[in-house]
Amino acid sequence: DVKVTQSSRYLVKRTGEKVFLECVQDMDHENMFWYRQDPGLGLRLIYFSYDVKMKEKGDIPEGYSVSREKKERFSLILESASTNQTSMYLCASSSGSAGDTQYFGPGTRLTVL
Amino acid sequence: QKEVEQNSGPLSVPEGAIASLNCTYSDRVSQSFFWYRQYSGKSPELIMSIYSNGDKEDGRFTAQLNKASQYVSLLIRDSQPSDSATYLCAVNIPAAGNKLTFGGGTRVLVKP
Repeated sequence: DVKVTQSSRYLVKRTGEKVFLECVQDMDHENMFWYRQDPGLGLRLIYFSYDVKMKEKGDIPEGYSVSREKKERFSLILESASTNQTSMYLCASSSGSAGDTQYFGPGTRLTVL
Repeated sequence: QKEVEQNSGPLSVPEGAIASLNCTYSDRVSQSFFWYRQYSGKSPELIMSIYSNGDKEDGRFTAQLNKASQYVSLLIRDSQPSDSATYLCAVNIPAAGNKLTFGGGTRVLVKP
């Protein structure tokens, strides 16, 4: 079974803090993705990566950065957290083409006060 | 026009009935189609994938794909209260770098 894990299920941070969300997959998948999910807005792609040290902007990259130093790990960074970044953050991975099946981690519910 | 569209619902069905969910997509050359189920507060989990026109059955679930009409549907037979969830349709969109694009989801409520 594909396993995607995320570092925290719930996280509370203060405005202006630097926040790290980590995602690890154990299936040697090439592709990894970060989404945020908000009521009424659905899943929105923040960043994705097709290979180590490679990153591409998704639909809403502003205010975020990513790091992929190892194939199995993809980190999302909020340089200076703001209240409008309160959301559910979901990591996913896939093999082969970016259009292949994506497997999701359990999600991190981030609240920025 | 959104790339992947779903009726947000809620779709209310009595227990034991068939739930029918629809999804339309904009890119005529899309090749991969997926249905995910998402319980409240949880992450999406894959139910089915379909790549060819026609029907694909897996237990109580049937996915139907019609590329000419650009829609994919999901049927849930003998609906159970545990099927109450939001169902997300995902389609690869070649014009968007072949990434998966998700619909907004259809909320299904199965009433005992």
